[in-house]
Amino acid sequence: GQQVMQIPQYQHVQEGEDFTTYCNSSTTLSNIQWYKQRPGGHPVFLIQLVKSGEVKKQKRLTFQFGEAKKNSSLHITATQTTDVGTYFCAGGSNYKLTFGKGTLLTVNP
Amino acid sequence: NAGVTQTPKFQVLKTGQSMTLQCAQDMNHNSMYWYRQDPGMGLRLIYYSASEGTTDKGEVPNGYNVSRLNKREFSLRLESAAPSQTSVYFCASKDPTVYEQYFGPGTRLTVT
Repeated sequence: GQQVMQIPQYQHVQEGEDFTTYCNSSTTLSNIQWYKQRPGGHPVFLIQLVKSGEVKKQKRLTFQFGEAKKNSSLHITATQTTDVGTYFCAGGSNYKLTFGKGTLLTVNP
Repeated sequence: NAGVTQTPKFQVLKTGQSMTLQCAQDMNHNSMYWYRQDPGMGLRLIYYSASEGTTDKGEVPNGYNVSRLNKREFSLRLESAAPSQTSVYFCASKDPTVYEQYFGPGTRLTVT
């Protein structure tokens, strides 16, 4: 079945540093989604990418979808303590998603 | 709108006991999902229901059963709980016109 791999598993940064998490799929994806889960909370949808090479920005967050639609990345510029949490990528069909294992981001103030 | 609600929030079971986790959504979504989340394992799909009246197995269905009671409600049953089923369980729902899934607050289950 489809596998979605995400690295790194953990990332600790000083506040103000940048952060990037990478997602790779074993198969071509029709779309990729990103979710954020705060400690003790539930996953919350951030964004969806559909087109090859697509880049989307949300304030300090930049999301990219690879040209081959098999990889994606999330980059956070100048991290803040509010960015703490686990970031998941997920790919799949309209009915079913396969989630990566997530990257836990901690930020030292 | 309450979104996706789950009951109970916490539960402790002894090995061999049974229980049902309840999930309801008020967004008129067609599709509903049950995931489990274990440390370092991400979210793994247990069962899903693409629409009312249908259910399908996900990645880790063994030891679980589901019922799509109506469009709003999707329950997950553990017939004979095992310590390996200690986990956080999330229910989610989705509108057919978009890809985004909406998650409930989760049920933290411990099996001793």
